[in-house]
Amino acid sequence: GENVEQHPSTLSVQEGDSAVIKCTYSDSASNYFPWYKQELGKRPQLIIDIRSNVGEKKDQRIAVTLNKTAKHFSLHITETQPEDSAVYFCAATSNSGYALNFGKGTSLLVTP
Amino acid sequence: GAVVSQHPSRVICKSGTSVKIECRSLDFQATTMFWYRQFPKQSLMLMATSNEGSKATYEQGVEKDKFLINHASLTLSTLTVTSAHPEDSSFYICSARTGAYYNEQFFGPGTRLTVL
Repeated sequence: GENVEQHPSTLSVQEGDSAVIKCTYSDSASNYFPWYKQELGKRPQLIIDIRSNVGEKKDQRIAVTLNKTAKHFSLHITETQPEDSAVYFCAATSNSGYALNFGKGTSLLVTP
Repeated sequence: GAVVSQHPSRVICKSGTSVKIECRSLDFQATTMFWYRQFPKQSLMLMATSNEGSKATYEQGVEKDKFLINHASLTLSTLTVTSAHPEDSSFYICSARTGAYYNEQFFGPGTRLTVL
């Protein structure tokens, strides 16, 4: 089955700096890669996603890049703000079953 | 659009009792629903996949007789934790897939289960 690795597990940045979280996946059939932000006790919130036919996608301060050959994708947050502090999960899924396989998460702390 | 609700949001029960959690898609028909379990400071782990009108597919290591899943309609799936024990205490989250938004899934708000 699919195995998604996520790094780092914790990340601390100063407000205004950029944050980068990286994930790798094992199943070459995976074709959809969402990123979720989860605050304590809340549901995961989709912040950006990318499909396998696209190499990069940007939405304001958030961007995701995908390298299908290397089977890795990354989340980039620019101009970080304290409200960006949360746990971020990457995930991967394919057309086989459609279940999301999550990375272990990255706890991001943005200090003022 | 694409709202998923879960009920209850929190439940505390005694060891040995059964607990039912409902997951509803409020404004769309869900072709597939998923149940995840999340322990503190850990990731979401898929428990099972359910399609309306058919038996759920459970992940390896998840006891199907303990975690009963019923997907009776395109808008409702239920998870029943039978004979709950303290180690079943966790955050249970459902998600639903419409089939219309590529592979995107919509998550419910989760249910915090505490077994005493």
